[in-house]
This record gives sequence, C-alpha cells and structure tokens, in this order.
Amino acid sequence: DIQMTQSPSSLSASVGDSVTITCRASQSISTYLNWYQGKPGKAPKVLIYGASNLQSGVPSRFSGSGSGTDFTLTISSLQPEDFATYYCQQSLSIPWTFGQGTKVEVK
Amino acid sequence: QVQLQESGPGLVKPSETLSLTCTVSGGSLSYHYWSWIRQPPGEGLEWIGYIYYSGSTYYNPSLKSRLTISTDTSKNQFFLRLDSVTAADTAVYYCARAPDRKWLRLDSWGQGTLVTVSS
Repeated sequence: DIQMTQSPSSLSASVGDSVTITCRASQSISTYLNWYQGKPGKAPKVLIYGASNLQSGVPSRFSGSGSGTDFTLTISSLQPEDFATYYCQQSLSIPWTFGQGTKVEVK
Repeated sequence: QVQLQESGPGLVKPSETLSLTCTVSGGSLSYHYWSWIRQPPGEGLEWIGYIYYSGSTYYNPSLKSRLTISTDTSKNQFFLRLDSVTAADTAVYYCARAPDRKWLRLDSWGQGTLVTVSS
C-alpha cells in the first residue's frame, strides 16, 4: 500500500492567514493526488484533484502543487468557513489511501 | 446536481453482516465509479472499495475477504455488504462518486451513516 503522510497534524491560524499543508507519499504517485475538506457531521468535499486542478465551485484561495512524492495544499487567505480538517488521497493504485488529516484550528 | 444518501441499520451485532444502501438521485450510475469510504470515531478516512457501473469491482485488500459491493442500476442504487463484523468495523460509512477514470476524485458524497458493532 502507498502510505500518505501529512504534516502538520494540526495547526492554529487566524482569519486572513496563509496556510500550507504538506502531504508526502511513500512512493511516486505522479499527480494522482486529491485534497478534501472535512467538517464534523458533513460530507467531505473535494477541493483539488490531480494535484493542482481546482474543483468546480471551490474558491480560488485554495491551490495545490507537487508531483511524485511531495505535495502541498495552500489556502491563501483563510476564511472562517475554512476551519476544518484536510485530507490528501492518492488515486494511483489500489488501495486508495488517505493521509491522516490536518486539523486547521482557530488561533 | 447528483445527491447520494446512505441507508441501513445503525447497529449490527458482532459476527453478523453489515449491509448498507446508497441511493443516487439527480444522476445516473452509468459511466461513473461508485465508492464506499469509512471513518472510525476519532480516526481518519479509510477507502473500502468501488464499483464501476458495469459491475467491475475494486476492493481494499484488507477487507476483500469479507466485502461485496454491488449495484442495481434499475433503482439507481449501490450496496455494501461486509461479513463477520467486529467492533473494529464501527465507523461512519460514506458512499461517494468518482465521475471519471482519469483522476478518480470523489466529487459527490453522502452525508454518512454511523454503524456501531455491538451486542
């Protein structure tokens, strides 16, 4: 299985801050990397697919980059609705695997 | 806008079978990939498996011996069956859609349903 490791596990930030989350794959996954936002009691939401493609309807303050084994998700100006847990997921090979999540909390 | 809704028992006894249904509305099962994902309490997301509308299935090897995913295209539903459950199978279960083969991103999800395995 391809292991996905996110860092940090949690971070504290304020509205307006720029936030970067890192995801590392245990082997190369090219750009088969998707990012999701999860909130308690709500369905997860895809933000970025194919490492850098913005999902339709997702605000442009979200961006993704990377290829191979190292990827980043950046939120350029954190908004109140962005406090949530973020997960990366590789879709190159079975079984699909997720990172453990990064919780973005209010500072 | 496609919508997904999970349904099924919220409580299952150990050693019995967990059965869930995902009903898809606002779109067809055709030409898409339909997945199950779960999240144990306080833990991260675990991919269970997916089925293409034609019936081809892909399972997480860690669950494969106990798992069946199937579809009923006439009812626009797909199903999860997990045999011989234990407390470790307690989780919120989500159904989701991957619209295309290229990136297999999960672009539509159900709200999730909590299944507790307990006697």
